[in-house]
Amino acid sequence: QVQLVQSGAEVKKPGSSVKVSCKASGGTFSSYSITWVRQAPGQGLEWMGRIIPVLDITNYAQRFQGRITITADKSTSTAYMELNSLRSEDTALYYCARETLRFPSNDYWGQGTLVTVSS
Amino acid sequence: DIQMTQSPSSLSASVGDRVTIPCRASQNMSNYLNWYQQKVGKAPKLLIYAASTLQSGVPSRFSGSGSGTDFTLTISSLQPEDFAAYYCQQTYSPPFTFGQGTKLEIK
Repeated sequence: QVQLVQSGAEVKKPGSSVKVSCKASGGTFSSYSITWVRQAPGQGLEWMGRIIPVLDITNYAQRFQGRITITADKSTSTAYMELNSLRSEDTALYYCARETLRFPSNDYWGQGTLVTVSS
Repeated sequence: DIQMTQSPSSLSASVGDRVTIPCRASQNMSNYLNWYQQKVGKAPKLLIYAASTLQSGVPSRFSGSGSGTDFTLTISSLQPEDFAAYYCQQTYSPPFTFGQGTKLEIK
């Protein structure tokens, strides 16, 4: 069955960068997209961006443009989300999720990676 | 960007109640609407996609309806395990924005 396993929690200083990984197993990596969603403490879900590995196409939310890079390594079925110029407001739980090509929806989710930005 | 509005942000109900949770989009998006349930400390779970299609394994007491700009998630008979937060999401055009969520609480 499909599983998405994310890298562990991170503590970062303001102004630094973080790179979170998401390794997929089960299914065929090239048959779906990977989405990144974050959730600040006590807040709702925020869509950050996605990558379609088979086409190497990315879409990003405007508010993260210039600070975010999503990549995928098809050889290891792993997606990555890098966020630069971190500030305290970026403290959140970051999720990766599979987006099916059948219909754009996120049917499998990773366990989440807590990123804490603090001086 | 398409804005998704969920109101109210919280809703109180009792076990056995029929509950409807609304979601409104800022522009016509056909049926490109998904619903997720999120319990505290857990990742979101897909309930409904394409506005009205039940995801595999989701109980049939959940249903979705609507098209264009107005959508509804209905729970026909609330069970104790249904008390959670519910989010709508549009996937008509990127960025695939979420509503701010409706928290379903026990009355």
